[in-house]
Amino acid sequence: TQLLEQSPQFLSIQEGENLTVYCNSSSVFSSLQWYRQEPGEGPVLLVTVVTGGEVKKLKRLTFQFGDARKDSSLHITAAQPGDTGLYLCAGTYNFNKFYFGSGTKLNVKP
Amino acid sequence: DVKVTQSSRYLVKRTGEKVFLECVQDMDHENMFWYRQDPGLGLRLIYFSYDVKMKEKGDIPEGYSVSREKKERFSLILESASTNQTSMYLCASSLQGARGRQPQHFGDGTRLSIL
Repeated sequence: TQLLEQSPQFLSIQEGENLTVYCNSSSVFSSLQWYRQEPGEGPVLLVTVVTGGEVKKLKRLTFQFGDARKDSSLHITAAQPGDTGLYLCAGTYNFNKFYFGSGTKLNVKP
Repeated sequence: DVKVTQSSRYLVKRTGEKVFLECVQDMDHENMFWYRQDPGLGLRLIYFSYDVKMKEKGDIPEGYSVSREKKERFSLILESASTNQTSMYLCASSLQGARGRQPQHFGDGTRLSIL
């Protein structure tokens, strides 16, 4: 059983469309991180959120941490082929050990 | 830039062999981690270490052991490899930091096949 459930598992969209990826849990996390992984490489950190209700923006990517610190979302505006990859959320209770979700595989078609 | 280097990108071993996966980081990070990544399951923590000679079991430690004799090196050992250990193995390192703000820096992975 995954501690963090991500949805959708797969997403295939056209360039220019918007999308949202969800990361949900029944547990409260001290902080939550989002990573992107491209084929043949390890995951790379996109953002860390630590405060309930926090919203962070990274160019066309908007990350939100739920008020109760149990869930998070990643919204991409006007997706581009370069956004293609596996998006992973990871939460921690004790600041050093992270639990990863199963990932959302995004394909943006030109 | 932090660099985490895993010794092999691809490895093929036989059932019953003892397998060593090596990981080295160059940024003096206290924490090091070994994960395995399987389709639909995300990353699952096998072991982690927060200091030299210290280790803690993750979620799936059975069939694995680890060694951390030096701060920069963290080794994963498959004592007697089995076919269900065929997977992508990822090593990561991070600083010990307040409130989990510290990123984990990952290597590019070792794709291990057990025949």
